[in-house]
Amino acid sequence: DSGVTQTPKHLITATGQRVTLRCSPRSGDLSVYWYQQSLDQGLQFLIQYYNGEERAKGNILERFSAQQFPDLHSELNLSSLELGDSALYFCASSLQIPADTQYFGPGTRLTVL
Amino acid sequence: TQLLEQSPQFLSIQEGENLTVYCNSSSVFSSLQWYRQEPGEGPVLLVTVVTGGEVKKLKRLTFQFGDARKDSSLHITAAQPGDTGLYLCAGGVLDQGGSEKLVFGKGMKLTVNP
Repeated sequence: DSGVTQTPKHLITATGQRVTLRCSPRSGDLSVYWYQQSLDQGLQFLIQYYNGEERAKGNILERFSAQQFPDLHSELNLSSLELGDSALYFCASSLQIPADTQYFGPGTRLTVL
Repeated sequence: TQLLEQSPQFLSIQEGENLTVYCNSSSVFSSLQWYRQEPGEGPVLLVTVVTGGEVKKLKRLTFQFGDARKDSSLHITAAQPGDTGLYLCAGGVLDQGGSEKLVFGKGMKLTVNP
């Protein structure tokens, strides 16, 4: 158990819909990272927040957005969902930046039908 | 765009055999990390190497960072069924703000048969 929690574990929705994925970092960790893992693309960095502020952006689509709240939990919002958005979405957290270690949550499996 | 190529992509071996996984890129990385991921779970960090030429040993696992910090290898000695999983390498890329983004390879799926 990494100490990072993600909800929900599974999510099934239809094209065009909007979903919100939630992540609670390890106690004391200020930085949160979001990743997307698909069979063809592998694990791809989406976005990073540190203490409530966006710190780095990766291959995140404009239809996707994220935020980190004052209690340090984070949410990833995915809108206008397409079939190709079906993937595993992981959240990771770290104490410092640059991170010596990123601790990954168990992931949310999103299926878009 | 930094890319990390892992080879082989799949490997199925018998218990007790040795294996080496390679992670190659044309880009220089500030660090190189190796993760192991089991089905239904997130990746778990095995090791971080930061110095060109660095070698780290973790029990039966030996990790090496290339001299030019562009490539890495993971060698497993006497593989066991418990080593089964997806092995991912990730290169660290520092941005101007001091954050380090990780660029992941697609992984090597290892199956160790008893």
